[in-house]
Parts: sequence; C-alpha cells; structure tokens
Amino acid sequence: AQKVTQAQTEISVVEKEDVTLDCVYETRDTTYYLFWYKQPPSGELVFLIRRNSFDEQNEISGRYSWNFQKSTSSFNFTITASQVVDSAVYFCALRPRGGGSQGNLIFGKGTKLSVKP
Amino acid sequence: GAGVSQTPSNKVTEKGKYVELRCDPISGHTALYWYRQSLGQGPEFLIYFQGTGAADDSGLPNDRFFAVRPEGSVSTLKIQRTERGDSAVYLCASSLNNPTASGHTGELFFGEGSRLTVL
Repeated sequence: AQKVTQAQTEISVVEKEDVTLDCVYETRDTTYYLFWYKQPPSGELVFLIRRNSFDEQNEISGRYSWNFQKSTSSFNFTITASQVVDSAVYFCALRPRGGGSQGNLIFGKGTKLSVKP
Repeated sequence: GAGVSQTPSNKVTEKGKYVELRCDPISGHTALYWYRQSLGQGPEFLIYFQGTGAADDSGLPNDRFFAVRPEGSVSTLKIQRTERGDSAVYLCASSLNNPTASGHTGELFFGEGSRLTVL
C-alpha cells in the first residue's frame, strides 16, 4: 500500500518556539519522492520541498529544515523560531516512482499549525 | 496568467444537477492534475493529463465524473447528477513536462480551488 500518515492533527505554539511536524510514509517502491506543501487560509497549496528516496541528506532553508530517515520511513519538517505567518495546514505527500500513475501525489491528512503571537 | 486559475471559486448546486469546473493552467505546462479535498482531509487524486490525453484517471470515483482537456491547455471537470457527497474543494494543478522526467523538480503548482456545495 502507498500511504502517508501525519499523526498530528493540530499543533499550537507561541511565536518563536520551534515546532516539528511528523510524517511517516509507506511504499513498496525503491524509488520515490517525498514532498511538503503548505496550505494557507487562501487554499492554494504552496510547494516547500521535494526529496528523492536515494538522497538522505537533510536540508535547511532559512527557518525550515527537513529530516529524511529512510530506516524509519519518516520525513519530518521543523520550523525554527516560528512566526504567526507560518500558521497554515501543512501536508506531506508521496509520489511513488514505479508502477501506477507517474503523476499521482498521495497526501497525508495534514497538520494544522497555529502560531500565536 | 501568472498562476493556475480555477473558476468558479464557489459553486452551490442542487442534488441531481450537472456541474462544470474549469482550470486554466500555467502557460506552457503540459501536465495537469485534478484533486478533490474534503473538509479536514488531504487532497485526493482524481485524474492526470499529459497534453490532451488522460494519462491516469484511476482516481475518478465513478462514471458521473469526467474531465477533458481538448487542446492541451484548459481543462474542464464535469460532474453529472451531483450528490451531497460530492461537496468538496476541487483543486487543479499543473507542472512542466512529465513529472518523472529527468531533471523535473516534481513541483506541482496549485490553483485556489473551486468549492462545490451540493444541497
């Protein structure tokens, strides 16, 4: 089965706190891609990052960092020094490479992050 | 336009009616996707076009749903005999070329969605 699980439904933090959003995935494919998208109240999904299954290097982009652990099938997302503008729903997604659709993203249910001033 | 444009942004209809939702992708994007997002859920794949043809329509829930992209640009999602369970936000996305082609970033550019309410 191909599946993405985001166990945290909602998280609330106070501005400047660090927060980690968890993502666990399931796939039988040996090659696949993982993504994080942000969905602000406007509704438009905004691409944050793509990670290939063969590249386990962690990545940092400003206040955002991603920890890819193939051994635990996890792709967690950390926001450092959170800001009110980070408030949104965050989705982790999986695109299997082999078999099935080459265009299909499988999304988790999302984690709603609220950052209070 | 600069981004993916979807119309209407909101549509309220009665059970049993026919509905069309339109998506205008980013110019030059050959791949186009439709997703459906119910309240509190992640987007669920419906159909993927590469050019004019549907490369994968495995996500369409039943034969009341149909989508076309006759000229490889604008796409229309059509829903016949709407049911209350069809109420959701219908998201369209586009991307350059084949999403698994070498060098493709994998990024999908999403529109703001069409919110469909079936009474």
